[in-house]
Amino acid sequence: DTEVTQTPKHLVMGMTNKKSLKCEQHMGHRAMYWYKQKAKKPPELMFVYSYEKLSINESVPSRFSPECPNSSLLNLHLHALQPEDSALYLCASSQSQGLSDTQYFGPGTRLTVL
Amino acid sequence: QKEVEQDPGPLSVPEGAIVSLNCTYSNSAFQYFMWYRQYSRKGPELLMYTYSSGNKEDGRFTAQVDKSSKYISLFIRDSQPSDSATYLCAMSGGNYGQNFVFGPGTRLSVLP
Repeated sequence: DTEVTQTPKHLVMGMTNKKSLKCEQHMGHRAMYWYKQKAKKPPELMFVYSYEKLSINESVPSRFSPECPNSSLLNLHLHALQPEDSALYLCASSQSQGLSDTQYFGPGTRLTVL
Repeated sequence: QKEVEQDPGPLSVPEGAIVSLNCTYSNSAFQYFMWYRQYSRKGPELLMYTYSSGNKEDGRFTAQVDKSSKYISLFIRDSQPSDSATYLCAMSGGNYGQNFVFGPGTRLSVLP
């Protein structure tokens, strides 16, 4: 199984809402990532978890809050977002963080903030 | 200077053509080089993965890495309309942290 799954596929939320994005992998990977991708741009790294600990936070605003409840799951909690946060949010996983970090991506959650 | 550079295209070729996609980079610490394909409104899909310099072939795809020139390439033989997508190079192996970097991507259109 080389699949990374993400739910929901689409999400529309208001600026006062609280919502969560979910990501799951069963490849035994110990590093998981959140990326944000705007149209016609490459993915931008947001967070990295390595062995369920937050390893990288690329200066992401606090209205985005990641959580890694176990080695297979990664959540991204959203609160008080802005319209400019509308984007495709991609989850990825890799065997480990570092030199062997070939990343496998999920299909993404397309987020629209009204 | 950006860490990874890639011709944004769009690149349009006729069906059956050989396509050459390229990236240059500045960080000599990169050791692992990948190519991803991304269809519109989908997540990136890993196509090729190579370590250090050399060539790797997989079906119609060939990846080349020249670390001395800091240059990587992806060749697609017998291109098909289904190859129309954005191709992202990526590399990793920096000294610390999340040293994984994407290039900006090249949009490819293969015309029937």
